[in-house]
Amino acid sequence: AQRVTQPEKLLSVFKGAPVELKCNYSYSGSPELFWYVQYSRQRLQLLLRHISRESIKGFTADLNKGETSFHLKKPFAQEEDSAMYYCALNTNSGYALNFGKGTSLLVTP
Amino acid sequence: EAEVAQSPRYKITEKSQAVAFWCDPISGHATLYWYRQILGQGPELLVQFQDESVVDDSQLPKDRFSAERLKGVDSTLKIQPAELGDSAMYLCASSHSSVAYEQYFGPGTRLTVT
Repeated sequence: AQRVTQPEKLLSVFKGAPVELKCNYSYSGSPELFWYVQYSRQRLQLLLRHISRESIKGFTADLNKGETSFHLKKPFAQEEDSAMYYCALNTNSGYALNFGKGTSLLVTP
Repeated sequence: EAEVAQSPRYKITEKSQAVAFWCDPISGHATLYWYRQILGQGPELLVQFQDESVVDDSQLPKDRFSAERLKGVDSTLKIQPAELGDSAMYLCASSHSSVAYEQYFGPGTRLTVT
């Protein structure tokens, strides 16, 4: 069965501290993973995609097939990073997404 | 900048009533998705359209839910009859064929069934 697990419901860090949002997946095929973000009073939007291997807003995520993980990392958190973060797994060729439950990141000054 | 539109933004209905939600995707986006998000959970796919055809409706409770996209543009999701457990946020998203992996989400319709 395809499943995405985000073990932390809430993560609170101080500004300037490193942050890591955890994501684990189960999928029998070749996974395609994404991080989506929802800032306060805004729409859900794509943050990054594992294939692109980009750094977006200072965030990176590496797919670890051995550990079936796709953790989101940023070395120095900013207050504007406070948001809800969802890890998502592509489940078919049409890119329908299987989302985790989300982690609320709070960055405090 | 073009955005996905949804209406209504909020809907309160009584159990056993019918309710409908509307979605207008970004112009030119062939793929349209309806997701349901229960409070505290991530979005769950209900139905996916490619133009006017259903690609995946395996998670759509077909005894009470129906979805259509007649001309391959806007879409309607209907629930009849509504049940208390249907209270949730209903999200519509669309994507362009050339960048199929990037979904653009609408603001959602918050449904409360009393």
